[in-house]
Amino acid sequence: SYVLTQPPSVSVAPGQTARITCGGNNIGSKSVHWYQQKPGQAPVLVVYDDSDRPSGIPERFSGSNSGNTATLTISRVEAGDEADYYCQVWDSSSDHQVFGGGTKLTVL
Amino acid sequence: QVQLQESGPGLVKPSQTLSLTCTVSGGSISSGSYYWSWIRQPAGKGLEWIGRIYTSGSTNYNPSLKSRVTISVDTSKNQFSLKLSSVTAADTAVYYCASLTAMVPYYFDYWGQGTLVTVSS
Repeated sequence: SYVLTQPPSVSVAPGQTARITCGGNNIGSKSVHWYQQKPGQAPVLVVYDDSDRPSGIPERFSGSNSGNTATLTISRVEAGDEADYYCQVWDSSSDHQVFGGGTKLTVL
Repeated sequence: QVQLQESGPGLVKPSQTLSLTCTVSGGSISSGSYYWSWIRQPAGKGLEWIGRIYTSGSTNYNPSLKSRVTISVDTSKNQFSLKLSSVTAADTAVYYCASLTAMVPYYFDYWGQGTLVTVSS
């Protein structure tokens, strides 16, 4: 089965740029989606199809995907961005949905 | 805008069957725009996809749970349901229902608030 690997944690100071990676075999050939989950809340879609943003998501959230790594980039990080972030893909070979293990973003 | 709401017992005994229902509002479950999915999250851990169902009744399950999972749909009630049999403490988790877009790229755009199910005697 397809495996997505995320770093357990990323720390960044307010106003700086946070980059959260999602690794997978030839992930650049897949569409990657990103979810933000704050404590006690359901996940919220923040980026879909590698780099598109749903309505209502700030432009500070962007995504890229190439080779074996997809990246969620959060510019001008705010305290309110502190959350767990998950990547997700569709594994076409099994027709299953796959989540990464999640990354906890800490705003220093 | 689609809204989803999970319901069901918050406590299930070991070896019994966990049963949850997700009620969809703001749209028809028969629209064909979505697969209807279940996802779970043990405390302090990541998200695990359980499976999905289409309005036609076609299903697809996570192979790690496939032998114990049944997802069904009731279009007359605009609901879909999850049954997980032979539960153990390892099945204790927050269970979410979510809408999965029915076309590539497949992503979860609407989620329920989640419901905690504890497996304990």
